[in-house]
Amino acid sequence: NAGVTQTPKFQVLKTGQSMTLQCAQDMNHEYMSWYRQDPGMGLRLIHYSVGAGITDQGEVPNGYNVSRSTTEDFPLRLLSAAPSQTSVYFCASGRAESTDTQYFGPGTRLTVL
Amino acid sequence: KNEVEQSPQNLTAQEGEFITINCSYSVGISALHWLQQHPGGGIVSLFMLSSGKKKHGRLIATINIQEKHSSLHITASHPRDSAVYICAVKASGGSNYKLTFGKGTLLTVNP
Repeated sequence: NAGVTQTPKFQVLKTGQSMTLQCAQDMNHEYMSWYRQDPGMGLRLIHYSVGAGITDQGEVPNGYNVSRSTTEDFPLRLLSAAPSQTSVYFCASGRAESTDTQYFGPGTRLTVL
Repeated sequence: KNEVEQSPQNLTAQEGEFITINCSYSVGISALHWLQQHPGGGIVSLFMLSSGKKKHGRLIATINIQEKHSSLHITASHPRDSAVYICAVKASGGSNYKLTFGKGTLLTVNP
């Protein structure tokens, strides 16, 4: 199993550009989520999904969109990038009936100029 | 004030030392997680606790629900234990999926 994969690993954007961060898992997990990690702060939940077709907002959803058309994929879209979105983004997945273990992807380091 | 506070923020130890990292939280919780983030950035779940104590190899995690406090202990520390250790809590009555994270404790173990 590849586990949770994220692409790209690094990305530089200009203010106002849009892009999609990809996340995929091959463990048939119902639950998937996106976090951002900023210096001096804990991980913060952006959006999450408990199954295909179901998404919900986390703590810091503004400026981001998600969709979940398949169990495997959970892309995160930045609609119009801003410098405040410079961060490291982590995707995670887990079984819906339990949060005993969340499996994290390797992260995407995004810089918005 | 953060709902989840970790101490210390930074910890340097010599190989072989016993390590303790603390996590305090201010809300009622149904579960607490300990995670490890390696220098390369990858994050791994270590433990999920709702009461008592869990042990995995040289790692021991304890929780005191009444005192709203958890500790992560590392026995016979080794340089490969160098990482950021993160505490996260799931609030009682909240979504099954929403965790609140501490800022992490950076542990450096010198040979």
